[in-house]
Amino acid sequence: QVQLQESGPGLVKPSETLSLTCTVSGASMRDYDWSWVRQPPGRGLEWLGYILYTGDTNYNPSLKGRATISVDASKSQFSLKLSSVTAADTAMYYCASVPIFSGFLQNWGQGTLVTVPS
Amino acid sequence: DIVMTQSPDSLAVSLGERATINCKSSQSVLYSSNNKNYLGWYQQKPGQPPKLLISWASTRESGVPDRFSGSGSGTDFTLTISSLQAEDVAVYYCQQCYITPFTFGPGTKVDIK
Repeated sequence: QVQLQESGPGLVKPSETLSLTCTVSGASMRDYDWSWVRQPPGRGLEWLGYILYTGDTNYNPSLKGRATISVDASKSQFSLKLSSVTAADTAMYYCASVPIFSGFLQNWGQGTLVTVPS
Repeated sequence: DIVMTQSPDSLAVSLGERATINCKSSQSVLYSSNNKNYLGWYQQKPGQPPKLLISWASTRESGVPDRFSGSGSGTDFTLTISSLQAEDVAVYYCQQCYITPFTFGPGTKVDIK
């Protein structure tokens, strides 16, 4: 069973860069694609992007080029950086594993709440 | 982007009764080359991350009770809980992964009547 755990600051100042890390256990980084999803308080789910097992990335255009996802296979981690944050980026951020050639978010971390004060 | 809609927004069902949730995509999510629907269903209980219940529109994930079933093809899909249990109280989301950006429906809240 793949297990994931998000980590990072819970509070980010406006205009700064949000940086989160997802630590993976139970799988090799080459065995899956890896994704980030967020959920504003009391609202629905938004797919942010993913990094394929090939290293290619794909991002939600709604983020307007602010997102970067990368993998550090030596640490079994992947990360999300989101620049120029505003209060609208306040959300629970989840990392998830994605079976290759699917797109389904099969295993999820518990999530980490990131607040950007207005 | 593919827009996902769900109906109803919420429903209350008696224990042991059937719950049905509908999901519609703004364009087909059926990939003709492999005849697979890139449509998944997720369950999210309060304070928990979502859980993938069904992939490929109708394939239950390992460990998911068989009272959960998915059906449909193309643009119209249904999640059915055949006999609602107390532990099924949750918000249910559909998601398309046919084309990026992957998108979710707004969710359907299921409660006990």
